Amino acid sequence: GNSVTQMEGPVTLSEEAFLTINCTYTATGYPSLFWYVQYPGEGLQLLLKATKADDKGSNKGFEATYRKETTSFHLEKGSVQVSDSAVYFCALNLYNFNKFYFGSGTKLNVKP
Amino acid sequence: EAQVTQNPRYLITVTGKKLTVTCSQNMNHEYMSWYRQDPGLGLRQIYYSMNVEVTDKGDVPEGYKVSRKEKRNFPLILESPSPNQTSLYFCASRGAGGKDTQYFGPGTRLTVL
Repeated sequence: GNSVTQMEGPVTLSEEAFLTINCTYTATGYPSLFWYVQYPGEGLQLLLKATKADDKGSNKGFEATYRKETTSFHLEKGSVQVSDSAVYFCALNLYNFNKFYFGSGTKLNVKP
Repeated sequence: EAQVTQNPRYLITVTGKKLTVTCSQNMNHEYMSWYRQDPGLGLRQIYYSMNVEVTDKGDVPEGYKVSRKEKRNFPLILESPSPNQTSLYFCASRGAGGKDTQYFGPGTRLTVL
């Protein structure tokens, strides 16, 4: 079957620390991979995406590389800010463009 | 402004009382979906629609109905709500292109007593 596994949170970091949130997936086929961010009280927003192996998605200082050999799509940021505090979701999407599978989410707390 | 709107944003109801949560998008998107978000489970897809009058089940469709009579609207119907349907619900829409972004509504927090 298809599924996404994320590291459990919460993750608590100090401002300017390095961030990694792990995401691995299982998929029948060649999925597109996404990271979404959810700020308190809001819906999800697309953070970045990658549609094929070895692609790197990037946005707002966040990066993730689609690794087919390890079935992973880990999210990284070199220096987090307090404003990055949110819940991050990894997701995959297959040929049926409207069928999405989400991970359980990882809450990030960044302290000043 | 590109938008997905949901109403109501908050709803407290009782077991068995039929309710409808509305969803509307202004981007002329073909694809629309409903998700529920529960702690530790992430988002799970309830139903999705590829276009007007075309809908299909997601991973957790039991207890829900949907309809797509117009392209912009995709209401979620709970005919007989139960307490296990207490959750945070999100509507989303996306264009037909394979690389189109999925836009989410602000969410509806439903409590069934």
